[in-house]
Amino acid sequence: DAGVIQSPRHEVTEMGQEVTLRCKPISGHNSLFWYRQTMMRGLELLIYFNNNVPIDDSGMPEDRFSAKMPNASFSTLKIQPSEPRDSAVYFCASSFLGPRSYEQYFGPGTRLTVT
Amino acid sequence: QKEVEQNSGPLSVPEGAIASLNCTYSDRVSQSFFWYRQYSGKSPELIMSIYSNGDKEDGRFTAQLNKASQYVSLLIRDSQPSDSATYLCAVIGSSNTGKLIFGQGTTLQVKP
Repeated sequence: DAGVIQSPRHEVTEMGQEVTLRCKPISGHNSLFWYRQTMMRGLELLIYFNNNVPIDDSGMPEDRFSAKMPNASFSTLKIQPSEPRDSAVYFCASSFLGPRSYEQYFGPGTRLTVT
Repeated sequence: QKEVEQNSGPLSVPEGAIASLNCTYSDRVSQSFFWYRQYSGKSPELIMSIYSNGDKEDGRFTAQLNKASQYVSLLIRDSQPSDSATYLCAVIGSSNTGKLIFGQGTTLQVKP
């Protein structure tokens, strides 16, 4: 079975440019999570969706970040404009949330470098 | 106080020994607990989940949960060099919405 798919795997861009990260969750999962990981701050939850609806975006650092989930099989995380401090690895994870079922499965991540 | 706390390590054990990784959490209402393994440059991989007090065993891995003490641990028996990684403890918050709260992770080094 295919796991969570993310693209691109690596992105290098210049400050001020728009960056779009993409995620395809595991088929049948009803929840999707976007994380950011840095050495300094560890793994941080940015936003998560349940049944395509954003539930908690309190982790989104500022208005430059936005996320969408137009359907159950696709989500995007957009940064506009990008800044060097956005450099990190961005992970997407998906889960089937149900009674006593909260396991999240991570994609391979997108390593973003903003110069 | 951080919501989920782990000793960052590194924890160094010889090959074949038992590695013991510990995690404490602050929300007494938390019900679901997870251990993820993350190799350098890779994504977190779920290795254990535990929901009830006591022990849960899966191969060389045993998760232990003590809700009264707000403590969860991971034991790795017969440690192998391939177990060298960062181990992340994660807890479902009291909102029970599926939002995981991660600790900073413990780096394990298994020396041949």
